Amino acid sequence: EDQVTQSPEALRLQEGESSSLNCSYTVSGLRGLFWYRQDPGKGPEFLFTLYSAGEEKEKERLKATLTKKESFLHITAPKPEDSATYLCAVQAGSGGYQKVTFGTGTKLQVIP
Amino acid sequence: GAVVSQHPSWVICKSGTSVKIECRSLDFQATTMFWYRQFPKQSLMLMATSNEGSKATYEQGVEKDKFLINHASLTLSTLTVTSAHPEDSSFYICSASPAGNYGYTFGSGTRLTVV
Repeated sequence: EDQVTQSPEALRLQEGESSSLNCSYTVSGLRGLFWYRQDPGKGPEFLFTLYSAGEEKEKERLKATLTKKESFLHITAPKPEDSATYLCAVQAGSGGYQKVTFGTGTKLQVIP
Repeated sequence: GAVVSQHPSWVICKSGTSVKIECRSLDFQATTMFWYRQFPKQSLMLMATSNEGSKATYEQGVEKDKFLINHASLTLSTLTVTSAHPEDSSFYICSASPAGNYGYTFGSGTRLTVV
């Protein structure tokens, strides 16, 4: 069974204090790994898709990296508006059946 | 591009009634849409995969007769919660992906409260 584990569950940072969120996965036939941001009461907002180990993508203060077992979301000099829950998801499978499995998320709070 | 619209944003209904939630892809065609359920402080759980023109594929443990899914066109999928009960209260979210793109776009979600 596909498994996605995110850590830590919650993270509190001072504004400007860089850190990383972790997403470990165990899947058969990885097709893609996604990072999303979710604000309370809203649907997830797409951030990145990573397809293969060694791949990196950046967007403003966020940088996502991928290895064969895990992905990291690095947040550089975060601002209060970066506060949200960050979700990791993996798409796996083959042929006509592919499934997306989500982790439980990391709730990030950035304090001014 | 790749916008998914979900309606309504929130709904309160009486126990025993049915509620329909709509999910539309606004600027792309989606042969496949996905329905998720999210409980407070928990992650998204896939309920079913909605396929245009054919029956939906439900995940294990999801009642097909209770959560009716219809995907009648390439831009619209609906989820109907039948004979709703308080335990069905949750946040329901749909998603879709343009063909050839593995990035999934999510709707804004529907907060269902059954009283």
